[in-house]
Amino acid sequence: DTGVSQDPRHKITKRGQNVTFRCDPISEHNRLYWYRQTLGQGPEFLTYFQNEAQLEKSRLLSDRFSAERPKGSFSTLEIQRTEQGDSAMYLCASSLTDGYNEQFFGPGTRLTVL
Amino acid sequence: AQSVTQLGSHVSVSEGALVLLRCNYSSSVPPYLFWYVQYPNQGLQLLLKYTSAATLVKGINGFEAEFKKSETSFHLTKPSAHMSDAAEYFCAVRRASGGYQKVTFGTGTKLQVIP
Repeated sequence: DTGVSQDPRHKITKRGQNVTFRCDPISEHNRLYWYRQTLGQGPEFLTYFQNEAQLEKSRLLSDRFSAERPKGSFSTLEIQRTEQGDSAMYLCASSLTDGYNEQFFGPGTRLTVL
Repeated sequence: AQSVTQLGSHVSVSEGALVLLRCNYSSSVPPYLFWYVQYPNQGLQLLLKYTSAATLVKGINGFEAEFKKSETSFHLTKPSAHMSDAAEYFCAVRRASGGYQKVTFGTGTKLQVIP
């Protein structure tokens, strides 16, 4: 399978706990994106990497959120001190560095904060 | 700034009927436009994209969309709905300038196909 993969697919946690999600992009893609999708909404941009450099962060990405892509391959998204409002689907996508920005999405990680 | 508006959060069609999902965009510069489909508990899959070549774009699964600059629209159509088309569809826009440009998604339209 050469698509984007995400792990875990589902995560249930208690408020105040830390969680970490992983994304493995398509191997030749040097851009990687994180989105958040809440019920009834489209994906909202959180951040993106070109290789290992984090080039843009949305204002949605509060100080409790941190993303890394240490070797320019897989990426992690950590949420510290989770809140109920963090419950959402977290989507990862990857793309080549081209003019169309055609992004290929993973299956997502659904986070439920109790 | 850029945005997309999808008219109708839910659309129901009978199997075999025409599918029409509406998308209007707002962009201060020439846009690239996309339609994605999302099945339950899955990520998004690209159906088709407009990148300033032909205004009528054909995608996968028999879908097509027409870019109409005068109407700032990019509506998605399919002549005959199948049960397997039931899913949520997202329209998205980005600036057609060089380099990285953020993609902005609409709020989605859920398509129900009635047997």
